[in-house]
Amino acid sequence: AQKVTQTQTSISVMEKTTVTMDCVYETRDSSYFLFWYKQTASGEIVFLIRQDSYKKENATEGHYSLNFQKPKSSIGLIITATQIEDSAVYFCAMRDNYAQGLTFGLGTRVSVFP
Amino acid sequence: GPKVLQIPSHQIIDMGQMVTLNCDPVSNHLYFYWYKQILGQQMEFLVNFYNGKVMEKSKLFKDQFSVERPDGSYFTLKIQPTALEDSAVYFCASSIGHSQNTLYFGAGTRLSVL
Repeated sequence: AQKVTQTQTSISVMEKTTVTMDCVYETRDSSYFLFWYKQTASGEIVFLIRQDSYKKENATEGHYSLNFQKPKSSIGLIITATQIEDSAVYFCAMRDNYAQGLTFGLGTRVSVFP
Repeated sequence: GPKVLQIPSHQIIDMGQMVTLNCDPVSNHLYFYWYKQILGQQMEFLVNFYNGKVMEKSKLFKDQFSVERPDGSYFTLKIQPTALEDSAVYFCASSIGHSQNTLYFGAGTRLSVL
């Protein structure tokens, strides 16, 4: 069965620094898709970035980038030059051809301080 | 990014009543989803819907739940009758295609069953 694990429950960082979040996943499929979303204080869920398992190059999108380590089933999210508005809960999610929809992790709460 | 609208943002009802949650998906998307999030927990898949039919549903999608999208209008989740354990935030999502496509989420409807 699919499983997504985020071990960090919360991280606090100073503004303009870099934050890294961990995520490991389990799947029996050789082809799968990994996503990061953030949930803002208002509850809105925003898509940030994705990594397709067949792509070797780490995905980047603005100040978000991924550290995809396929042998370790790991997909870390890196946010550079953090801003106050990056404070949110960040969810890692996975989808494969066996799953019913997306499987989410429990989330990591990031607090960015001035 | 693409916007999914959910109406209402908060609904309070008495146990045993019927409730309908409405979702306006992204206009060119073909796949629609409902997810449930209990406070402080991860989002869990309920159901996905394509071409007028339920494609997949999880064990959380009880017999009291139903979904439809009559004539391309709102994609709805109906719960009849409601139970106390149905209290949660329900998120609607849509995607252009299936497993490899990104899901875009609405802001959620908080359902409080009293």
